[in-house]
Amino acid sequence: GAGVSQSPSNKVTEKGKDVELRCDPISGHTALYWYRQSLGQGLEFLIYFQGNSAPDKSGLPSDRFSAERTGGSVSTLTIQRTQQEDSAVYLCASSLSGRSYEQYFGPGTRLTVT
Amino acid sequence: AQSVTQLGSHVSVSEGALVLLRCNYSSSVPPYLFWYVQYPNQGLQLLLKYTTGATLVKGINGFEAEFKKSETSFHLTKPSAHMSDAAEYFCAVSERSGAGSYQLTFGKGTKLSVIP
Repeated sequence: GAGVSQSPSNKVTEKGKDVELRCDPISGHTALYWYRQSLGQGLEFLIYFQGNSAPDKSGLPSDRFSAERTGGSVSTLTIQRTQQEDSAVYLCASSLSGRSYEQYFGPGTRLTVT
Repeated sequence: AQSVTQLGSHVSVSEGALVLLRCNYSSSVPPYLFWYVQYPNQGLQLLLKYTTGATLVKGINGFEAEFKKSETSFHLTKPSAHMSDAAEYFCAVSERSGAGSYQLTFGKGTKLSVIP
């Protein structure tokens, strides 16, 4: 079956611009995670959605970062007023439920801020 | 708080030789442990996981790992390296957070090179 998909695969933006990154989880998966992979920090958790519950935003690095999940499926990660330190690969993962510990990752979006 | 330490950011082995990638973790509760592999410009693929039960876990592509509670370790091994094993490997631990998620905490990764 189809895996987790992310778009765009690459995004180059100028410092100060806003960007939106999209994630389509595996059909039927109710839990969705965003992670960031950067050279300096490695892989870091950003945010978690489970069904209709309030998201766990504890990993978001600043208030320039936000995310939403519409209809319990597609998720969008938005970064406002991008900075060069936001350059990273943003990975999305989904799992069958919030109680399922096996996460399936998408290919990621490589964001470059110039 | 949980944490993961991977010893060696780069490991080189000859084709056919034993692969050993080291991982130590800290966790306040019995952990769930994972190894993921990442090929260039791709996402993470689950190699194997330990949740409960047998401490020796077998995964895909001939890899296995052993959970040793007394050593807080979860080292990854493969008896005979293949050229296609060249990739970056990440060890991760999962605990249920206060907000109810099973977010993963990753090690820094070990890049494996296989020499022909």
